[in-house]
Amino acid sequence: AQTVTQSQPEMSVQEAETVTLSCTYDTSESDYYLFWYKQPPSRQMILVIRQEAYKQQNATENRFSVNFQKAAKSFSLKISDSQLGDAAMYFCAYRSAKVNAGANSKLTFGKGITLSVRP
Amino acid sequence: NAGVTQTPKFRILKIGQSMTLQCTQDMNHNYMYWYRQDPGMGLKLIYYSVGAGITDKGEVPNGYNVSRSTTEDFPLRLELAAPSQTSVYFCASSYSGALVGEPQHFGDGTRLSIL
Repeated sequence: AQTVTQSQPEMSVQEAETVTLSCTYDTSESDYYLFWYKQPPSRQMILVIRQEAYKQQNATENRFSVNFQKAAKSFSLKISDSQLGDAAMYFCAYRSAKVNAGANSKLTFGKGITLSVRP
Repeated sequence: NAGVTQTPKFRILKIGQSMTLQCTQDMNHNYMYWYRQDPGMGLKLIYYSVGAGITDKGEVPNGYNVSRSTTEDFPLRLELAAPSQTSVYFCASSYSGALVGEPQHFGDGTRLSIL
């Protein structure tokens, strides 16, 4: 079974600065997807960024980028130019890439990290 | 765009009562999921469905039942509610289980308290 670990329960960043959120995972599969979801106080689960394990290039979405280290099974999220609206809980998630995966198509989540942004 | 719609948003139940959490999606997605999120934790899969008429258990199915009579709807039923079922429940959907890079789309959640 796959596991996702987010060991930092809370982080804080000054507005306009950069922050990195850590995530590690464990799997025996070679092909999979990794995601970062944002959950603001409204409770919505919002996709921030995704990474295909077979791609060596790190994914980037505007101010959000990842550092994907497949051998180390590490998947950190970097937020540049932090904004007040970035304050939320962030979840790292794993999903198998197996076709017709059934239950393996589920997302396996870490416990999340609460990010606060100081004005 | 409606996406995934969950009702109700909040509910308080007494121990032993039953209720159904509704979930509907208008994206013609085959895969649908029910997760629960306990305080300070990530989401855990309760049940999932790969298409109309097909459902299966996830990690934490005890105390719940589901049905999938149509592609759009995937209700979650709690029978004999227990305090341990106090949680926030999320419904999600995706077109396929493993289409390249396709994310799951989430509803806004239902906060359920069992007293």
